Amino acid sequence: EDKVVQSPLSLVVHEGDTVTLNCSYEVTNFRSLLWYKQEKKAPTFLFMLTSSGIEKKSGRLSSILGKKELFSILNITATQTGDSAVYLCAVGVGGGGAQKLVFGQGTRLTINP
Amino acid sequence: DGGITQSPKYLFRKEGQNVTLSCEQNLNHDAMYWYRQDPGQGLRLIYYSQIVNDFQKGDIAEGYSVSREKKESFPLTVTSAQKNPTAFYLCASSMETGFVSPLHFGNGTRLTVT
Repeated sequence: EDKVVQSPLSLVVHEGDTVTLNCSYEVTNFRSLLWYKQEKKAPTFLFMLTSSGIEKKSGRLSSILGKKELFSILNITATQTGDSAVYLCAVGVGGGGAQKLVFGQGTRLTINP
Repeated sequence: DGGITQSPKYLFRKEGQNVTLSCEQNLNHDAMYWYRQDPGQGLRLIYYSQIVNDFQKGDIAEGYSVSREKKESFPLTVTSAQKNPTAFYLCASSMETGFVSPLHFGNGTRLTVT
């Protein structure tokens, strides 16, 4: 059974801190790993990683896929209250054109002013 | 603007009644998906469709049914056979290009069954 595990499940920090969110997975036929941010309703896409060891960056957010171990991390530097959200990790699996995404439980991040 | 529209936002039903959740997209995406979100469990796949008139069961399809008569529409029916239907339901779509592409999500429908 395909499995994606995120840690921690909940994290509370002060504005300006740097946070690291973790995602580990055990799946067959890995295609990609994606990170989403969910504030209230629709998850919004952050990153898609397909090659291990290559970091992707967008402003204060960055993510990397582990080279040997089956994991990814999402880093947020100089956090702001607007970063408060649930961060979802998902792994794309399967063959053919349409991917199936297996989601982790999510990490609820709270940034206090 | 292109996007995915789910309706209604909130839905209340009595136990034993079937209910249909609407999902429409104007992104010209081939693939569409239904996920269920419960606290502490992340998103779980109910059904997905790669092309019109074809769909496949996801991990938790029991008690649900779908149809894909048009490319733009992928309605989900929650039947009375679904034992625990109260949840947040998310519809999504993606390009069908032969490689993995990100999902675009709608704003969800929160279903409460009493």
